[in-house]
Amino acid sequence: DVKVTQSSRYLVKRTGEKVFLECVQDMDHENMFWYRQDPGLGLRLIYFSYDVKMKEKGDIPEGYSVSREKKERFSLILESASTNQTSMYLCAGRGGVGDYGYTFGSGTRLTVV
Amino acid sequence: AQSVTQLDSQVPVFEEAPVELRCNYSSSVSVYLFWYVQYPNQGLQLLLKYLSGSTLVESINGFEAEFNKSQTSFHLRKPSVHISDTAEYFCAVRDAFPGTYKYIFGTGTRLKVLA
Repeated sequence: DVKVTQSSRYLVKRTGEKVFLECVQDMDHENMFWYRQDPGLGLRLIYFSYDVKMKEKGDIPEGYSVSREKKERFSLILESASTNQTSMYLCAGRGGVGDYGYTFGSGTRLTVV
Repeated sequence: AQSVTQLDSQVPVFEEAPVELRCNYSSSVSVYLFWYVQYPNQGLQLLLKYLSGSTLVESINGFEAEFNKSQTSFHLRKPSVHISDTAEYFCAVRDAFPGTYKYIFGTGTRLKVLA
């Protein structure tokens, strides 16, 4: 099975800080995704990457950017954190050959104060 | 654009009772369908999926879901729930076209199993 690891489970950052959320997958999969999860809103796609150095905006990219310099690592960047970016952030990788499901990381709960 | 509706935000049910969590999607084009489960303070785990073939799919822990193309539904059922099934459940859909990467998720249904 694909394993997806998010480097931090909990983060507390100050308004205006630049924040990096890291995600690493241990299989050779092209597709990686960043979602944020908020109560009552479900999962909303921020950005995804279908190959190294390739990225596409999801449904709510404003205030975020991403970096995919290596296939196994997909970083989400909050250029200037704001309180409305307090949320659970979930990284996902697309599954193995013939498996069309995602594998999710454990999530990073970010609080911006 | 594809969308997914989970009408029930919360479903309380007594232990050993049956449960159905509803999921409808908007487009009738060829799709792949998924149910994910999220336990407290964890990421999402794939519960079951429909890609093609038999319209009834099952998971290893007793859940099943049936793909109904005419009603564009993929409801999740379990005949007898356990306390340990308490979690949030998300339905997701992806168009079955090559080069389609995005999955669309519903807003989730929180299942609470009562003793």
